[in-house]
Amino acid sequence: ETGVTQSPTHLIKTRGQQVTLRCSSQSGHNTVSWYQQALGQGPQFIFQYYREEENGRGNFPPRFSGLQFPNYSSELNVNALELDDSALYLCASSLEVGEREQFFGPGTRLTVL
Amino acid sequence: RKEVEQDPGPFNVPEGATVAFNCTYSNSASQSFFWYRQDCRKEPKLLMSVYSSGNEDGRFTAQLNRASQYISLLIRDSKLSDSATYLCVVNSRDDKIIFGKGTRLHILP
Repeated sequence: ETGVTQSPTHLIKTRGQQVTLRCSSQSGHNTVSWYQQALGQGPQFIFQYYREEENGRGNFPPRFSGLQFPNYSSELNVNALELDDSALYLCASSLEVGEREQFFGPGTRLTVL
Repeated sequence: RKEVEQDPGPFNVPEGATVAFNCTYSNSASQSFFWYRQDCRKEPKLLMSVYSSGNEDGRFTAQLNRASQYISLLIRDSKLSDSATYLCVVNSRDDKIIFGKGTRLHILP
């Protein structure tokens, strides 16, 4: 096990709703990244947080936002859900930015109806 | 051209054979490179980093060719347990992390 946990494991929402996904990183890991993985695709980088500040962002609209807390937990918030937001959402933690290994959580599978 | 491209496969390979697959990347400023493995319905896990000089970890060998902008993964003496999706990962100078779509590998008994 990687020591990274995510909740919930599964979630069903309807179009237009808002959702908050949670991640608990390994203790001491200052960097957390969030990814969206659609079926049959590789993970797509959403954004990265380092010491509670956003440190990089992929090609996702502003309705995808995040927070990182001092206790090594973090959140991914998605507003105004769309059908295409249905995917596996993965968080990954590492000690520092650019660290060779990221440790992934098991993911949250989000279905938008 | 996509930022990171991989042949999606599937590669169907008999047990004991050697298999190799490549990954190409478009950003010449890319800094670091990795291969991750993802089992069905599981999270990705680091298989190995890829260094300019090439590196080996048991039956796995990774190579980087900066001039041609590709990385490769070679698996020797393949085992049934090697069946998985192999994801190529490229980190750019601005810490943008790009995954390829993955190459599916099936090892046949």
